[in-house]
Amino acid sequence: GQNIDQPTEMTATEGAIVQINCTYQTSGFNGLFWYQQHAGEAPTFLSYNVLDGLEEKGRFSSFLSRSKGYSYLLLKELQMKDSASYLCVRMNRDDKIIFGKGTRLHILP
Amino acid sequence: NAGVTQTPKFQVLKTGQSMTLQCAQDMNHEYMSWYRQDPGMGLRLIHYSVGAGITDQGEVPNGYNVSRSTTEDFPLRLLSAAPSQTSVYFCASSYPGQGDNEQFFGPGTRLTVL
Repeated sequence: GQNIDQPTEMTATEGAIVQINCTYQTSGFNGLFWYQQHAGEAPTFLSYNVLDGLEEKGRFSSFLSRSKGYSYLLLKELQMKDSASYLCVRMNRDDKIIFGKGTRLHILP
Repeated sequence: NAGVTQTPKFQVLKTGQSMTLQCAQDMNHEYMSWYRQDPGMGLRLIHYSVGAGITDQGEVPNGYNVSRSTTEDFPLRLLSAAPSQTSVYFCASSYPGQGDNEQFFGPGTRLTVL
């Protein structure tokens, strides 16, 4: 439901930059989260975008284009501990929070 | 603050048994929700609540009931467990409109239905 699309897996090198894209249906949309989830653990919050544009938090940045139904998460200076799944999550105007299937990011030394 | 707590951490049920997964938060959050996560899948919303006395269905509500009699507690009831309900269950809470709208997750309950 809600057609959240993100790549299933990505691989990047330690110290590099990686961009994880997410597209979603714009109908009923309110805001977009990004969460990180390590294997066997609960998700942890990274960002929440409501307005168009880029928000930066340390090594992580998140971008939103409401009209295009598009977001990306940018991770800089990759570290081995960044190996995890990254979940694109939409919040609807009816307060439902819907998760995408996640992008599994592998970091190579 | 204990944050979001879930009990039990692990549970094995037989088909047809009923049980309640407990979730509590001490952050005075209005919004609480239950998700299930299956291998290779994202989290899927089961039920959610925007405040005490209010609950709504999510994406996969069948076979589950919830109630929200207090702000703190949001139990999830499995009425008659089925093998298809084998999953990891996460409870989460947030205070909409406050800060980044961050959802705080409990550690999860790993449920196996035989």
